[in-house]
Amino acid sequence: EDQVTQSPEALRLQEGESSSLNCSYTVSGLRGLFWYRQDPGKGPEFLFTLYSAGEEKEKERLKATLTKKESFLHITAPKPEDSATYLCAVQADSSASKIIFGSGTRLSIRP
Amino acid sequence: DTGVSQNPRHKITKRGQNVTFRCDPISEHNRLYWYRQTLGQGPEFLTYFQNEAQLEKSRLLSDRFSAERPKGSFSTLEIQRTEQGDSAMYLCASSSGHTLHFGNGTRLTVT
Repeated sequence: EDQVTQSPEALRLQEGESSSLNCSYTVSGLRGLFWYRQDPGKGPEFLFTLYSAGEEKEKERLKATLTKKESFLHITAPKPEDSATYLCAVQADSSASKIIFGSGTRLSIRP
Repeated sequence: DTGVSQNPRHKITKRGQNVTFRCDPISEHNRLYWYRQTLGQGPEFLTYFQNEAQLEKSRLLSDRFSAERPKGSFSTLEIQRTEQGDSAMYLCASSSGHTLHFGNGTRLTVT
């Protein structure tokens, strides 16, 4: 069964303290891996799509990387406005229409 | 703003009542998804439409849930005989490719 596991569940950092979030996945053929940001009371907001192992994408203080079993979201010198829940999702070849989400990592950045 | 629109934003209902939610996707998007999200969890796939055709439905979706997308435009999600376990955020998303664009959801509380 296709599965996505994110760790840690929650992460508290000091402003400027860099770290990484992990997304491990098990799918029968990866069509795409996605990262989203979700603020309280709002829907998820798209950040990145990764398609193949070795691929990297960057946006401001965020960089996403992909291997054959996991993806990392690296946050460099975070600011308080980066506080949010970060969700990882996968789309498998076995069900091209369905996108499966992990439980997310709640990131809190202290000023 | 031409993003995904969901109505109502909040709905409080008594157990046993029927409720209906509406989603207006981004106009040029032919794919529409419904997800359910409970506190501390990632979005859980419910169903998927391509144009007006409902192509996939979660096995977890009981027969009390039904979704429609007449004419391939807006969509409705109806829950009959609501139960307390139906309390959640119901998210709609649309896409023309792999990237999902979410609305801000309808929060359902069943008392």
